[in-house]
Amino acid sequence: AQRVTQPEKLLSVFKGAPVELKCNYSYSGSPELFWYVQYSRQRLQLLLRHISRESIKGFTADLNKGETSFHLKKPFAQEEDSAMYYCALSLSWGKLQFGAGTQVVVTP
Amino acid sequence: SAVISQKPSRDICQRGTSLTIQCQVDSQVTMMFWYRQQPGQSLTLIATANQGSEATYESGFVIDKFPISRPNLTFSTLTVSNMSPEDSSIYLCSVGNGDTEAFFGQGTRLTVV
Repeated sequence: AQRVTQPEKLLSVFKGAPVELKCNYSYSGSPELFWYVQYSRQRLQLLLRHISRESIKGFTADLNKGETSFHLKKPFAQEEDSAMYYCALSLSWGKLQFGAGTQVVVTP
Repeated sequence: SAVISQKPSRDICQRGTSLTIQCQVDSQVTMMFWYRQQPGQSLTLIATANQGSEATYESGFVIDKFPISRPNLTFSTLTVSNMSPEDSSIYLCSVGNGDTEAFFGQGTRLTVV
């Protein structure tokens, strides 16, 4: 069965420090993975997807099929990065399986 | 992208009553989905709203409890029936754009007292 695991519920980092959010998945097919972010009082929005291989707001994520991981990284955290981050696996067109989420708190 | 409006944004309801949540999209979309986010939990898919046919429900969710309508390609409703305090959650509408990416409404925060 498909599964998305985010082991950290809360990640507290200092401004300017690196941040890495872990995501592991289990899926029998060819995975397509996303990171979604929810800032305070805003709707859930796409941060990045693995097939685009982009860097958005300084964040990157690489799909590692060998380790079945899709960790999200940013070398220097900013206060505006404080948010809830969800790793998600595409099950079909627009249908997603979400991880439990990681709350990131960046302190000055 | 797609702009999604959900109504109401929040409500407080008495147990035993029902609430219908509306989801309006600014463009025609093939796929519409309803998710639930219980307090402190992640998003769980309730069902896929199919235009012109019955919704497809995920394991643990049934039509009698969560009836869904999809009268056209831009609109859907989710009804939470015979509510109990355990139904207190955020309910989110989501759409697919023909790709695997999904877009979300702002959510409906439901409190059942």
